Amino acid sequence: GENVEQHPSTLSVQEGDSAVIKCTYSDSASNYFPWYKQELGKGPQLIIDIRSNVGEKKDQRIAVTLNKTAKHFSLHITETQPEDSAVYFCAASRGEYGNKLVFGAGTILRVKS
Amino acid sequence: DTGVSQDPRHKITKRGQNVTFRCDPISEHNRLYWYRQTLGQGPEFLTYFQNEAQLEKSRLLSDRFSAERPKGSFSTLEIQRTEQGDSAMYLCASSLSWDTQYFGPGTRLTVL
Repeated sequence: GENVEQHPSTLSVQEGDSAVIKCTYSDSASNYFPWYKQELGKGPQLIIDIRSNVGEKKDQRIAVTLNKTAKHFSLHITETQPEDSAVYFCAASRGEYGNKLVFGAGTILRVKS
Repeated sequence: DTGVSQDPRHKITKRGQNVTFRCDPISEHNRLYWYRQTLGQGPEFLTYFQNEAQLEKSRLLSDRFSAERPKGSFSTLEIQRTEQGDSAMYLCASSLSWDTQYFGPGTRLTVL
């Protein structure tokens, strides 16, 4: 079955710096890759997603890149702010061919002001 | 659109008791998913419904777990004879077909 690995497990950055979180997946049939942000005591909130027919997607300060050949995808947050502090999860699924999400173990992001 | 809601938000029970959780998906979302999340881990898939049909169950879903979605709207997840290892956050998500999954706030279960 699918396995998703996520690195780093914790990341501390200074406010205004960029943050990058990387994930690798094992199932070459996976074609949908969402990123979720989870704050303490809350459910995961989708922040951006990418499908396998594109290599990059950007939404304001957040961008995701996908390398299907290498089976890895990354989340990039620019101009970090204290409110970006949270746990971030990557996930992968086969989309319309079986869309249960397989999650990475998460990255704790701390933005220091 | 009020989002996915879950009830209760917290549940404390004694080992051996039965518990039931409810999930109300976003209206008109035909798919509903249950995940379990333990401390320091990502959510793990348990089961999902398309309308009222339960289409897939994880091996994590032992015989003590049962889920229903009787009218294709809300869903319930029941755990019988709870064990301490069942302590976790139980998350519900919904989607329109195979598109983006939106999560609820979760039900935190503590088994004493």
